[in-house]
Amino acid sequence: GAVVSQHPSRVICKSGTSVKIECRSLDFQATTMFWYRQFPKKSLMLMATSNEGSKATYEQGVEKDKFLINHASLTLSTLTVTSAHPEDSSFYICSARGRGTDLRETQYFGPGTRLLVL
Amino acid sequence: AQTVTQSQPEMSVQEAETVTLSCTYDTSESNYYLFWYKQPPSRQMILVIRQEAYKQQNATENRFSVNFQKAAKSFSLKISDSQLGDTAMYFCAFMKHGNQFYFGTGTSLTVIP
Repeated sequence: GAVVSQHPSRVICKSGTSVKIECRSLDFQATTMFWYRQFPKKSLMLMATSNEGSKATYEQGVEKDKFLINHASLTLSTLTVTSAHPEDSSFYICSARGRGTDLRETQYFGPGTRLLVL
Repeated sequence: AQTVTQSQPEMSVQEAETVTLSCTYDTSESNYYLFWYKQPPSRQMILVIRQEAYKQQNATENRFSVNFQKAAKSFSLKISDSQLGDTAMYFCAFMKHGNQFYFGTGTSLTVIP
């Protein structure tokens, strides 16, 4: 149980275009979803936290107009990188937390999306 | 703010041997959770073990066990009978009740055949 999927797993786009990444909880309802960015051989950097039906909370230094997050349902959150530039190239990971003791007090991670902006 | 420190950037262990990864944290909270996650080359984050701070008993999951020292704010991971599939980055994480995670910088573990 507690499976989280991400799509696409890898995307290459041209500079200036927008890219949408989907994060889905497959077998539980995700009341909270988190979006992270990870550079090679580095730790995870939290970008934003989203609760179902409300606006995302962004970490300091993360441009909310560039990284649009939507959490419209209890099983889906999306991250849209708008007007992507080469410096946005990175590995993006989502995680989800649900209801119930185990689901609420643990984060379950998606497999990540590798974004390359040319 | 909470901080999590992993002082061993890289470690190696012979197959079938035992290795311990260290993690310390700083918090003024009394109720919290601690985690070890494994990130193999596929980069999928996998939950290894979870410890609730109010439980004195150390958590165990098969070959993985922790040594949780609440007063010392230490949370080390012991891997017994190391296997080649244990080769990965290991992240220690701290979470207050219902709140966000704070990750350590990670320890890269290599299991040598």
